[in-house]
Amino acid sequence: GESVGLHLPTLSVQEGDNSIINCAYSNSASDYFIWYKQESGKGPQFIIDIRSNMDKRQGQRVTVLLNKTVKHLSLQIAATQPGDSAVYFCAEGGGGADGLTFGKGTHLIIQP
Amino acid sequence: DAGVIQSPRHEVTEMGQEVTLRCKPISGHNSLFWYRQTMMRGLELLIYFNNNVPIDDSGMPEDRFSAKMPNASFSTLKIQPSEPRDSAVYFCASSFVGAAYEQYFGPGTRLTVT
Repeated sequence: GESVGLHLPTLSVQEGDNSIINCAYSNSASDYFIWYKQESGKGPQFIIDIRSNMDKRQGQRVTVLLNKTVKHLSLQIAATQPGDSAVYFCAEGGGGADGLTFGKGTHLIIQP
Repeated sequence: DAGVIQSPRHEVTEMGQEVTLRCKPISGHNSLFWYRQTMMRGLELLIYFNNNVPIDDSGMPEDRFSAKMPNASFSTLKIQPSEPRDSAVYFCASSFVGAAYEQYFGPGTRLTVT
């Protein structure tokens, strides 16, 4: 059959509003979860991580929420700025292995 | 402070040729990871090293791919012979052993095999 590429979900947000990006993870044995930001032509950039024994962690303008019951992770970005435009990936790891398993990514677009 | 350094940034080669990608991790980091990114499959782990020792190479696609880490500051990923389906962006990342939740990525090498 014909192969198709990944169709990234897109989130369009007004500048200054808050953004919420969601991710479903697969491995209930993962020890940690990470959010990365990838701008066009660059490598993924570490944003924030959260351990499996936590349900919330805050950074500068970002908050990550972890719901282990439904295996769901979210990244909240406060007061979104034009520089926040990028593809955001969640990743999971641990459980005896150091390599990360990445999600498909969400393309965040900031409207002026 | 220099981050992860990869070379070359772009590589165009013909099918059947050998390709070598290079990575210098962040100084002091002792875990090194190779990932591949394609539109079809997203970001995938190929192999990783702890203290220069390969730990998990289950993500390496086939025997045409090999990776080495001769010392703490240098790693190579080699494809021989290359095929068009190997076209992708290859990323190297590094971290401290035991702190793989904070991996730092290089800028990537965009490989095109014609």
